[in-house]
Amino acid sequence: EAGVTQFPSHSVIEKGQTVTLRCDPISGHDNLYWYRRVMGKEIKFLLHFVKESKQDESGMPNNRFLAERTGGTYSTLKVQPAELEDSGVYFCASSQGGRRWDSYEQYFGPGTRLTVT
Amino acid sequence: AQKITQTQPGMFVQEKEAVTLDCTYDTSDPSYGLFWYKQPSSGEMIFLIYQGSYDQQNATEGRYSLNFQKARKSANLVISASQLGDSAMYFCAMRGRNSGYSTLTFGKGTMLLVSP
Repeated sequence: EAGVTQFPSHSVIEKGQTVTLRCDPISGHDNLYWYRRVMGKEIKFLLHFVKESKQDESGMPNNRFLAERTGGTYSTLKVQPAELEDSGVYFCASSQGGRRWDSYEQYFGPGTRLTVT
Repeated sequence: AQKITQTQPGMFVQEKEAVTLDCTYDTSDPSYGLFWYKQPSSGEMIFLIYQGSYDQQNATEGRYSLNFQKARKSANLVISASQLGDSAMYFCAMRGRNSGYSTLTFGKGTMLLVSP
């Protein structure tokens, strides 16, 4: 089966511009997550969708970040306007629902490397 | 709050030798899960192994085993018979029931280099 895919793989934008990242989860996975890794720091949780609903968005850094999941399929993460500190690698992950809560695997995509100059 | 600490920024090992990657954690959750992920240079995060806090036995998956010491709050990854393809970044992560079961908390990672 196809894995989690993310587009683009790299993006270089200027401060103040807008960027939209896309994630296509594994088909049939209800759960979709966004994470971010800023250079030299830990991977941090951003938010979690269950189907099209936001289950947990406690990790979103501020209102310049907007995530959507149209029809419970793919998801987009928009940064508007981008700031220098937004640079990092943005990971998307997906998982099945309905399994033992603590053991279900999150399958990660390859990430989008965002550079804000 | 949960915290994962990986104290080894980088590790070197020779091919065919075993290597242990350290991971300690801190949580107030009575029930939690511990995970290890591998990130090769291609960028994707690959799930390796899982250990539940109430599991009686240490988890094993092929050449990977998790040395779980609950009292010490450690969950070290042991890779036996290292291969060149094991060179990658390795992340320890956890999920706790009371801290938002949906989210993973990660450590900073350990870069493993396997030499011939």
